[in-house]
Amino acid sequence: EPEVTQTPSHQVTQMGQEVILRCVPISNHLYFYWYRQILGQKVEFLVSFYNNEISEKSEIFDDQFSVERPDGSNFTLKIRSTKLEDSAMYFCASSEGGGGYGYTFGSGTRLTVV
Amino acid sequence: GQSLEQPSEVTAVEGAIVQINCTYQTSGFYGLSWYQQHDGGAPTFLSYNALDGLEETGRFSSFLSRSDSYGYLLLQELQMKDSASYFCAVASYGQNFVFGPGTRLSVLP
Repeated sequence: EPEVTQTPSHQVTQMGQEVILRCVPISNHLYFYWYRQILGQKVEFLVSFYNNEISEKSEIFDDQFSVERPDGSNFTLKIRSTKLEDSAMYFCASSEGGGGYGYTFGSGTRLTVV
Repeated sequence: GQSLEQPSEVTAVEGAIVQINCTYQTSGFYGLSWYQQHDGGAPTFLSYNALDGLEETGRFSSFLSRSDSYGYLLLQELQMKDSASYFCAVASYGQNFVFGPGTRLSVLP
């Protein structure tokens, strides 16, 4: 069964450092997303990406965040200057169509900012 | 904006039936999804309702009433492996796809 692949599974970084979280969505999917989940809390939307541009973003997705699809397979989330409160599990997801149907999530990257 | 409400916890025994409710507020609604998440795992898609009524997928069913802004997930013949968090999520035109706060289901032997 096709899956969304995320690397690394766990990243520890110092406050103020830049991190790049990587995702390989399912190959025939057209919509890509980043979500985050702080331990014990709900899954929060960050950004959606379609046709090589951001289609929607949440209030969380401020100027410290950026996304990129550098080639035909990868989808990355960059956090420019990490803060302690950025510590969370970051999930990448993809779907064939938009609208919330049938998102496939990756297994996540646990980001710990120290 | 959008908001969703779910019970925080539900407990049931193996073999039982449990219903997890979800109420939502949004404009431009067009679909309600359900996702399952085991501890430490990724959310996995369970079901999607765009129209009123019941959708059945094996032991799981999902219901939607658009006029009541309400839906539920029904889990039958509960198994221990069903212990997980269940999130409803709302899709709306021109808005983010938003997850509810989640319901933690504990299945007891």
